[in-house]
Amino acid sequence: KQEVTQIPAALSVPEGENLVLNCSFTDSAIYNLQWFRQDPGKGLTSLLLIQSSQREQTSGRLNASLDKSSGRSTLYIAASQPGDSATYLCAVRLDSSYKLIFGSGTRLLVRP
Amino acid sequence: GAGVSQSPSNKVTEKGKDVELRCDPISGHTALYWYRQSLGQGLEFLIYFQGNSAPDKSGLPSDRFSAERTGGSVSTLTIQRTQQEDSAVYLCASSLVPSGTLQETQYFGPGTRLLVL
Repeated sequence: KQEVTQIPAALSVPEGENLVLNCSFTDSAIYNLQWFRQDPGKGLTSLLLIQSSQREQTSGRLNASLDKSSGRSTLYIAASQPGDSATYLCAVRLDSSYKLIFGSGTRLLVRP
Repeated sequence: GAGVSQSPSNKVTEKGKDVELRCDPISGHTALYWYRQSLGQGLEFLIYFQGNSAPDKSGLPSDRFSAERTGGSVSTLTIQRTQQEDSAVYLCASSLVPSGTLQETQYFGPGTRLLVL
């Protein structure tokens, strides 16, 4: 059974810092991995999607890497801003399924 | 353009009552998903609709839960005889094309917060 774990559960940093969020999964037979952002009272917003054949994806200040063999992904946020404060979720899709399996998230607070 | 919308945004009900949650996907999106996010737990998949194909109901937690999608667009999730453990945020998502393609990014609605007293 695929399990997705995110560390840390919560993170508080001062504005301007670079930071890394971690995601690990137990079954390496994934089709892709996505990073989402969830703001209070709002739905999820897809940030980056990495196909299993890819090593990383970049969008603005965000960079996500994928090491399928070791079952790990990281989300790197450069020059963090208070507006980055949110819960960040990673989710994997298995080769044989369209279901997304989510981690429990990392709650990020960027202090002005 | 309009994103995925859900109604109601909040619902408080008494144990034993039935509730209906509505999802309006993005126009033209063929795939629709329901997820549940319980306090302290991650999101869990409930059900998946794709076009006219039979839905995948494998994530529904009990036979009190059912969902339908009319005309390939709007979907309704129904919970019968609600229990306190049904309290959660119910999220709907849609994607342009079926999962398995490069354009399968799921777009999520704001969710319906259900509280069963």
